[in-house]
Amino acid sequence: AQTVTQSQPEMSVQEAETVTLSCTYDTSESDYYLFWYKQPPSRQMILVIRQEAYKQQNATENRFSVNFQKAAKSFSLKISDSQLGDAAMYFCAYRRGDNTDKLIFGTGTRLQVFP
Amino acid sequence: NAGVTQTPKFRVLKTGQSMTLLCAQDMNHEYMYWYRQDPGMGLRLIHYSVGEGTTAKGEVPDGYNVSRLKKQNFLLGLESAAPSQTSVYFCASKRPGLSYEQYFGPGTRLTVT
Repeated sequence: AQTVTQSQPEMSVQEAETVTLSCTYDTSESDYYLFWYKQPPSRQMILVIRQEAYKQQNATENRFSVNFQKAAKSFSLKISDSQLGDAAMYFCAYRRGDNTDKLIFGTGTRLQVFP
Repeated sequence: NAGVTQTPKFRVLKTGQSMTLLCAQDMNHEYMYWYRQDPGMGLRLIHYSVGEGTTAKGEVPDGYNVSRLKKQNFLLGLESAAPSQTSVYFCASKRPGLSYEQYFGPGTRLTVT
């Protein structure tokens, strides 16, 4: 069975600085997708970024980028120029490449942003 | 276009009571999911549906039942609520296909006393 591990329960960063959130996963599959979701205090789950396992190029969305290391089964999220609105829980998630599209989530990292 | 909505937003039950959580989506999505979120546990899949009239068990299905009689609705039932079912429940929906993402509802906070 696939598992997703986020080893940092909490992280903090100063506004305008850069922070990296870690995620590792375990799978024997070759075809899969990885995601980072943001959950602010409103509880709404918001997709931040996604990565297809077959793509070697790391995904980027504005200030958010990933470091995808397939052999090491590592998928970290880098937030550049951190803003107060980035404060939230961040969840790493794994999705198999099958027709059910089920997500397996990590336990989350709470990010605090200080002015 | 409301996206994914959940009813109710909050609920308090006594042990042994029953209730149904309603998830509705107006995006004509085939797939729908129910998750629960507990402190320190992330989201875990309870049940899911890949089409009207079909349901399947997820990671933590015990104590729950679901029904998908209409494509736009996915109901989660608790027949006899237990304190262990105190959680935040999220519904999500998506189109079939690997390139599409799941869209989440705002969640329902359920407390069982």
